[in-house]
Amino acid sequence: AQRVTQPEKLLSVFKGAPVELKCNYSYSGSPELFWYVQYSRQRLQLLLRHISRESIKGFTADLNKGETSFHLKKPFAQEEDSAMYYCALAPSGSRLTFGEGTQLTVNP
Amino acid sequence: NAGVTQTPKFRVLKTGQSMTLLCAQDMNHEYMYWYRQDPGMGLRLIHYSVGEGTTAKGEVPDGYNVSRLKKQNFLLGLESAAPSQTSVYFCASSSILTGLGEQYFGPGTRLTVT
Repeated sequence: AQRVTQPEKLLSVFKGAPVELKCNYSYSGSPELFWYVQYSRQRLQLLLRHISRESIKGFTADLNKGETSFHLKKPFAQEEDSAMYYCALAPSGSRLTFGEGTQLTVNP
Repeated sequence: NAGVTQTPKFRVLKTGQSMTLLCAQDMNHEYMYWYRQDPGMGLRLIHYSVGEGTTAKGEVPDGYNVSRLKKQNFLLGLESAAPSQTSVYFCASSSILTGLGEQYFGPGTRLTVT
């Protein structure tokens, strides 16, 4: 069965520091992977998906099939990046499986 | 467009009471989902629907029922609420064109069962 693990429940960095939110998955096939973000008092929204290979709000994520990881990175964190981040896996033809989430706090 | 809306926003139930949560979307999406969000457990899929008149069980379906009589609406029912069902419930939808991974979420319903 597919599984998504986000090892850090809480992550705190200072403004301007690099940030990396870890995501590991288990799935034997070729997965689609996503990052969703939930800002305070806002609804959950899609941040980026691995197949688009784009940078959104300065965030990037690279799929590493060898390490079965899809870590989210940003070189210089901003206070407005403070939010709950969820990694999600979509095995082919199936539904999304979410990780436990990482609460990111960017301190001034 | 309102996107995905949920009714009600908050609710307190006593153990054994029943209620229905309503989700509506105006994007003509084929797929709709109900999740629950609990601290440290992420979002877990309760039930989902791939089209009008069809529903399927997700990861944690026990104690819940759903119906999708109209394409734009997805109802989640609790027949006999239990304290373990205290949670935040999110509805989401997605289009068959963009795939199930790009989901649009509602604002959530905070349910407390005492």
